[in-house]
Amino acid sequence: DVKVTQSSRYLVKRTGEKVFLECVQDMDHENMFWYRQDPGLGLRLIYFSYDVKMKEKGDIPEGYSVSREKKERFSLILESASTNQTSMYLCASSRPLAGGNNEQFFGPGTRLTVL
Amino acid sequence: AQTVTQSQPEMSVQEAETVTLSCTYDTSESNYYLFWYKQPPSRQMILVIRQEAYKQQNATENRFSVNFQKAAKSFSLKISDSQLGDTAMYFCAFMGPGGGADGLTFGKGTHLIIQP
Repeated sequence: DVKVTQSSRYLVKRTGEKVFLECVQDMDHENMFWYRQDPGLGLRLIYFSYDVKMKEKGDIPEGYSVSREKKERFSLILESASTNQTSMYLCASSRPLAGGNNEQFFGPGTRLTVL
Repeated sequence: AQTVTQSQPEMSVQEAETVTLSCTYDTSESNYYLFWYKQPPSRQMILVIRQEAYKQQNATENRFSVNFQKAAKSFSLKISDSQLGDTAMYFCAFMGPGGGADGLTFGKGTHLIIQP
């Protein structure tokens, strides 16, 4: 089974702190994604990556950056956390369409609270 | 850019009933993929069902089926013989012809509650 893991289920940080959210997948997927989930807004794409060291902005990249140094790991970075970044963060991975099944597999999520 | 609309923020039905969740989308693409994802209270998102736009036949997975109306840009999910374990947030999602390397576009979700 595909497994996507995230480093923390719950995280509490203070305004201005630098925050790292880590995501690891074990199925050799090329594509990885970071989404933010807020009540009444659904999931919104922050950043995505289709290869090592490649990154692309999604719909709401402001205030975030990402790093993908290894194929299996995709990190989301909040350079200076703000209270409006309090949210649930979901990581996902998938194969390219040419690989057949393009289903996205999700991690369990990290509930980040910024005080 | 594509948009996905789920017009039912919350629905509640009795166990064993059939329930239909609605989803409409807007795109200028002719080939694409549509998904329904389920997020139970434990939060892990899992795929329920997938539809490829070039396939006319509606997808089915056990008790779950879709009504895909391409011209109307509608993609509803029908859950038959609903069970308590079906209680969850359900998200409709769109994937463009690129195969998903650029992510999914999600609706805002429908909170489905199955009452005993």
